[in-house]
Amino acid sequence: QVQLVQSGAEVKRPGASVKVSCKASGYTFTDYFMHWVRQAPGQGLEWMGWINPNSGYTNYAREFQGRVTMTRDTSISTAYMEVSSLKSDDTAVYYCAKDKAVGPSTADHWGQGTLVTVSS
Amino acid sequence: QSVLTQPPSASGAPGQRVTISCSGSSSNIGSNTVNWFQQLPGTAPKLLIYNNHQRPSGVPDRFSGSKSATSASLAISGLQSEDEADYYCAAWDDSLNGRYVFGTGTKVTVL
Repeated sequence: QVQLVQSGAEVKRPGASVKVSCKASGYTFTDYFMHWVRQAPGQGLEWMGWINPNSGYTNYAREFQGRVTMTRDTSISTAYMEVSSLKSDDTAVYYCAKDKAVGPSTADHWGQGTLVTVSS
Repeated sequence: QSVLTQPPSASGAPGQRVTISCSGSSSNIGSNTVNWFQQLPGTAPKLLIYNNHQRPSGVPDRFSGSKSATSASLAISGLQSEDEADYYCAAWDDSLNGRYVFGTGTKVTVL
């Protein structure tokens, strides 16, 4: 069965960077786009962007361009999402989510989430 | 901020029917399909409805989706206690190089 296992919780200082990993199993990693979505405490869902694991091509939401980098390592079926210049309002649970179709459609399987806390 | 608007809350007694609306615009719901997610407390979202009305395997047929013009709705019939959760609509938006937008979310309470 499809599984997405994310790295553990992180605590970072303002201005630092954080890199979250998402290890996929149960399907062919390079066949489906991977999305990243975040959720601030008590707030709704916010789409950050996607990566095509086959080509490495990315598409970031405008709000995150220049500050977010999505990469992948196909040899270990793992996607990564790095946020730089962290601010307190980047405190959120970050999710990776596998796309349902070959091209960008919607997310049908989600990781368990990684809590990133930004605090001085 | 979200560009898809949902009511903040909805409620119903067990067995009743609850409907959640999702209002968008021509650049998102008006030109793309709508998906719905259920998020139980403390868990990751789960895909509930895709392509406006289709249910992934394992989703009970008590959940149904529809779309008309720039709005969509999710209906839960035969409400059960385990349906108490947050529900989000979502769609691609053709503006700004294409982005995936979520609704503001609706908290469903089973009375």
